[in-house]
Amino acid sequence: LAKTTQPISMDSYEGQEVNITCSHNNIATNDYITWYQQFPSQGPRFIIQGYKTKVTNEVASLFIPADRKSSTLSLPRVSLSDTAVYYCLVAFYNQGGKLIFGQGTELSVKP
Amino acid sequence: DTGVSQDPRHKITKRGQNVTFRCDPISEHNRLYWYRQTLGQGPEFLTYFQNEAQLEKSRLLSDRFSAERPKGSFSTLEIQRTEQGDSAMYLCASSLGQGANEKLFFGSGTQLSVL
Repeated sequence: LAKTTQPISMDSYEGQEVNITCSHNNIATNDYITWYQQFPSQGPRFIIQGYKTKVTNEVASLFIPADRKSSTLSLPRVSLSDTAVYYCLVAFYNQGGKLIFGQGTELSVKP
Repeated sequence: DTGVSQDPRHKITKRGQNVTFRCDPISEHNRLYWYRQTLGQGPEFLTYFQNEAQLEKSRLLSDRFSAERPKGSFSTLEIQRTEQGDSAMYLCASSLGQGANEKLFFGSGTQLSVL
């Protein structure tokens, strides 16, 4: 079964840039890569989505190499409020398109 | 606020009781998803609807669980004869269902505690 793999946890300090990498070896031609952020007792929140190369918005950047078998979420100058769980999702559209969450990466930002 | 709304936010029930949760999606969204999440785990897919049609139900989902979306707008998730293992956060999400670049918008969830 196709799936994504990302680190279970990461630690960082305020003001640093954080890069979280996700592998998705079985990504198909039509699939997009989407990242969500989740705080305790809240539903996940969409952060960024991309298909190839680089996407940037006001919150983050997403880097996708040419083979698309991995992607890296980059959070510039993190603050304590960025402490959350980050999920990488691929729709795996050839499997019905439903979005399956992995375990996510728990990011802890320290002062 | 026109986001996804879930009711109630918290539910405490005794084992064996039935519970029903409601989700109101973003009004123009035609897809609606239900997920379940336990502490330390990612959201687990339960089922999803395209308008009023239930397109898929997780094989892991017991037949005690049923979901409806009768008019293609709000949805209900019912759990019959609750068990302690049903204790979890139940999340609802909606989307425009554009295809491979689908983006989900989640509600704040219903936290169920079965005593």
